[in-house]
Amino acid sequence: NAGVTQTPKFRILKIGQSMTLQCTQDMNHNYMYWYRQDPGMGLKLIYYSVGAGITDKGEVPNGYNVSRSTTEDFPLRLELAAPSQTSVYFCASSYIRAYQPQHFGDGTRLSIL
Amino acid sequence: AQKITQTQPGMFVQEKEAVTLDCTYDTSDPSYGLFWYKQPSSGEMIFLIYQGSYDQQNATEGRYSLNFQKARKSANLVISASQLGDSAMYFCAMREAGRRETSGSRLTFGEGTQLTVNP
Repeated sequence: NAGVTQTPKFRILKIGQSMTLQCTQDMNHNYMYWYRQDPGMGLKLIYYSVGAGITDKGEVPNGYNVSRSTTEDFPLRLELAAPSQTSVYFCASSYIRAYQPQHFGDGTRLSIL
Repeated sequence: AQKITQTQPGMFVQEKEAVTLDCTYDTSDPSYGLFWYKQPSSGEMIFLIYQGSYDQQNATEGRYSLNFQKARKSANLVISASQLGDSAMYFCAMREAGRRETSGSRLTFGEGTQLTVNP
């Protein structure tokens, strides 16, 4: 079982560049999430989606965009990368019910130089 | 608003001993779930244990147990018989069940506790 797959695992960007972080899940989960984790900190929610075609902002959405055209895929777009976006990005997915855990991908380590 | 507090930035324990990692939470939603995740140095997030707000008994999962004290709004993780492989960052997280269509049942994470198991 692949679970939640994120690509790439590592990336270095120059200031002002753009890129898309890919996330796909094969568990038929309705809910998907993007988090960022800064060094020594917990995870903060960037965007989430409750189903295909439906997305909404989390705590720290500025500088990011998302789309959800299929149940499986939830890409995160960084426009005009800034050093403050240097972080580890996690994609997660879950079923609807609150007692079911979120399943995480292995993360993308992104550096903006 | 949800809030998770982990007051122990770092904890040390001897191998084979038990350790308790503290977590307190704040929510106005009567229906919620509490989760613990482990993050080893390799970076992945590993789900350990879950406790629902209406669960009558404390959750257990192998060497992990959750000391759930609802009135005190605490959900401490107890690891018994610590092993060297338990050395990792541990995160407490909460998920509100209400308004899930609008909130997406998002998880709110604490800042984590770094556990080091000494041989």
